Amino acid sequence: QKEVEQNSGPLSVPEGAIASLNCTYSDRGSQSFFWYRQYSGKSPELIMFIYSNGDKEDGRFTAQLNKASQYVSLLIRDSQPSDSATYLCAVNFGGMDSSYKLIFGSGTRLLVRP
Amino acid sequence: GAVVSQHPSRVICKSGTSVKIECRSLDFQATTMFWYRQFPKQSLMLMATSNEGSKATYEQGVEKDKFLINHASLTLSTLTVTSAHPEDSSFYICSAAGTMGQYFGPGTRLTVT
Repeated sequence: QKEVEQNSGPLSVPEGAIASLNCTYSDRGSQSFFWYRQYSGKSPELIMFIYSNGDKEDGRFTAQLNKASQYVSLLIRDSQPSDSATYLCAVNFGGMDSSYKLIFGSGTRLLVRP
Repeated sequence: GAVVSQHPSRVICKSGTSVKIECRSLDFQATTMFWYRQFPKQSLMLMATSNEGSKATYEQGVEKDKFLINHASLTLSTLTVTSAHPEDSSFYICSAAGTMGQYFGPGTRLTVT
């Protein structure tokens, strides 16, 4: 059973702080990993993807991947109230091909306090 | 780039009728599209994988005769909920496989009365 695990939260951080969202996955052979943001009542929006071990930065967002520990995280710097949403971790157990289905975690709800 | 649209955004229908939902990739071609369902405060549930020109692959527990999927072109997939019942009321979301991952449509909120 291929699984993706996330803490459901809520994770509450003050405005301006760093929010750290974590995700673990079961299949050591997984090669591509995605973070989506979903506002209440809306569909998911792709924030970042990462394929290689290490860090990948895009603006205020940094994705971190550790394949040996089967762990992927998302850091949000200078958190804003508008970042309050549910963050979904998704893993492509089929490799790099985006036509293969993603396995989603249940999501972590982030609350940024003004 | 990588814009996916869905139509309609919201639909209310009577029990026993059928509803068709369209999913379009507007600025890229998608040989593969996915259909999800999401109940309030629950996670996404993959219903089926739709491949252009071939039959859809349904996830375990999803009735293929109730949820008809047609992927007739590289930019359009449709989901038809047949003989809808109140328990089918949900948020239906499609996604399209692009070069850098899956891109989601805005979703269709279905209410069956």
